[in-house]
Amino acid sequence: DTGVSQDPRHKITKRGQNVTFRCDPISEHNRLYWYRQTLGQGPEFLTYFQNEAQLEKSRLLSDRFSAERPKGSFSTLEIQRTEQGDSAMYLCASSLEGNMGAFFGQGTRLTVV
Amino acid sequence: GENVEQHPSTLSVQEGDSAVIKCTYSDSASNYFPWYKQELGKGPQLIIDIRSNVGEKKDQRIAVTLNKTAKHFSLHITETQPEDSAVYFCAAPRARAQKLVFGQGTRLTINP
Repeated sequence: DTGVSQDPRHKITKRGQNVTFRCDPISEHNRLYWYRQTLGQGPEFLTYFQNEAQLEKSRLLSDRFSAERPKGSFSTLEIQRTEQGDSAMYLCASSLEGNMGAFFGQGTRLTVV
Repeated sequence: GENVEQHPSTLSVQEGDSAVIKCTYSDSASNYFPWYKQELGKGPQLIIDIRSNVGEKKDQRIAVTLNKTAKHFSLHITETQPEDSAVYFCAAPRARAQKLVFGQGTRLTINP
């Protein structure tokens, strides 16, 4: 296991379409986080899971966004009815419970046209 | 909630010189302070972190110092090399929450 893996790396979609991103965390990590990063800014927290339970969601996560981690391993982030303002880098990170040091994946860059 | 301020936003140093990036945080209950390095097109990479029970931590050419009284922490890079050029982010946890609040980032450029 070489780290957190995200797929796809890049996604271009038309406004109004739905998109889904996948994250595979480091295998022994039970915590998984989604962050969003826009150009020139630091990552902003979206949501996090401990095992399969989604324990916190940011106000940034509108009802068009949904995240799942069905078996406590990989996670998906879906954005419905995409808007141009959704264009950003979506980052996944994982960590062990009790350790705030999160390891990030390479991100999925979303462009909504 | 936690607020993290990072300075400077850009920093240019000559190769071989030292670089220092500073962050302040607002929540006195914060107890963990990581630093991330992000290269173009890549995700942030954890390079060093410090917990509130120590004042300084070193790892080869990088070090982090923490002043809990003043609520600020700094990243020090010595003997800078071209591969140190990147954007660096500090972060702090929001108290009693399992998420990190990031600073705005510092674009470090090492001039040969």
